[in-house]
Amino acid sequence: GENVEQHPSTLSVQEGDSAVIKCTYSDSASNYFPWYKQELGKGPQLIIDIRSNVGEKKDQRIAVTLNKTAKHFSLHITETQPEDSAVYFCAASKDFNKFYFGSGTKLNVKP
Amino acid sequence: GAVVSQHPSWVICKSGTSVKIECRSLDFQATTMFWYRQFPKQSLMLMATSNEGSKATYEQGVEKDKFLINHASLTLSTLTVTSAHPEDSSFYICSATFGDEQYFGPGTRLTVT
Repeated sequence: GENVEQHPSTLSVQEGDSAVIKCTYSDSASNYFPWYKQELGKGPQLIIDIRSNVGEKKDQRIAVTLNKTAKHFSLHITETQPEDSAVYFCAASKDFNKFYFGSGTKLNVKP
Repeated sequence: GAVVSQHPSWVICKSGTSVKIECRSLDFQATTMFWYRQFPKQSLMLMATSNEGSKATYEQGVEKDKFLINHASLTLSTLTVTSAHPEDSSFYICSATFGDEQYFGPGTRLTVT
């Protein structure tokens, strides 16, 4: 099955700085890579996703890059704000069938 | 956007009793729903795939007889934790596929005393 690894487990940045979270996956057949934000006691919320036919996608302060050859993808958050503080999960899926999650990154944005 | 709800949001039960958790897609029909389990400060672990009108598909290591899943309609899937024990205490999250995205419910916190 698919194995998704995520780094770092915790990340602390100053407000306004950028944050980068990286994930690798093992199954080359995976073709959909979403990122989720989870706040304490709540379910994950989709913040951005990328499909295997695209190398980069951007939505305002959030961007995701995908390197299919190396089987890794990254989340980039620019101009971080305190409300960005949460746990972020990457995931990989083949044809939206099963979703396999990374171990999560706790992001702390210090004001 | 698509909304998935769960009920209850939290539940406390005594050891040995059974607990039912509901997952509903509020504004769309979902032929497939997924159930996850999340321990504190850990990732989501897929427990099973719930298919409307057929038996659920369980991940390896998940006890079918302990975690009963019923997907009776296109908008409702239920997870019943039977004969619950303290080690079943966890955060249970469901999700449903709408189009080409997966939407998650808010989760249910189960505490077994």
